[in-house]
Amino acid sequence: GESVGLHLPTLSVQEGDNSIINCAYSNSASDYFIWYKQESGKGPQFIIDIRSNMDKRQGQRVTVLLNKTVKHLSLQIAATQPGDSAVYFCAETSNDYKLSFGAGTTVTVRA
Amino acid sequence: KAGVTQTPRYLIKTRGQQVTLSCSPISGHRSVSWYQQTPGQGLQFLFEYFSETQRNKGNFPGRFSGRQFSNSRSEMNVSTLELGDSALYLCASSLDPGQKAFFGQGTRLTVV
Repeated sequence: GESVGLHLPTLSVQEGDNSIINCAYSNSASDYFIWYKQESGKGPQFIIDIRSNMDKRQGQRVTVLLNKTVKHLSLQIAATQPGDSAVYFCAETSNDYKLSFGAGTTVTVRA
Repeated sequence: KAGVTQTPRYLIKTRGQQVTLSCSPISGHRSVSWYQQTPGQGLQFLFEYFSETQRNKGNFPGRFSGRQFSNSRSEMNVSTLELGDSALYLCASSLDPGQKAFFGQGTRLTVV
């Protein structure tokens, strides 16, 4: 079936640097995308979302880019901090309203 | 405003038993979804409820069921528990289907 996947399972980043987490999706009908952050022992925390009629959206220190042509989504975190260490998931949904998640990227911030 | 509340946080059950998990959505949210998270399979969609109706169901056996009440609170039930049902069960709520979904802390179920 359709699936959402992340390019890399782990990412190590120096504190203060920018992080880029990538995600590829295969369902061309997907029209809504969400990035979540999950810390150990907690549920996924909403970070930012984007609909398919946009190609970029910015939040506080985060930017999501959507390239529908190649079905690619990325999350950019500016000035990565130790508190950003977590597992990041992209999720997509189409008109069936169920979220399909990628496998997740574990981000480790080096001091 | 309180977030999504799931109870209990932790549960240990024996094979063959059944279990009921509870989810209280964010006030005003009408859509509730359930997900199973395991190290091997990641986050898998179980079902989604809106206005007390199950509108979508994932690829799980009939042992997994759920319901939603008129106040939007939801429960899920797993009967005849198997060792493989050990997982973190997550509930998410949104104002309406297809809108941004917020997750609870989850219920960690261990089947022994």
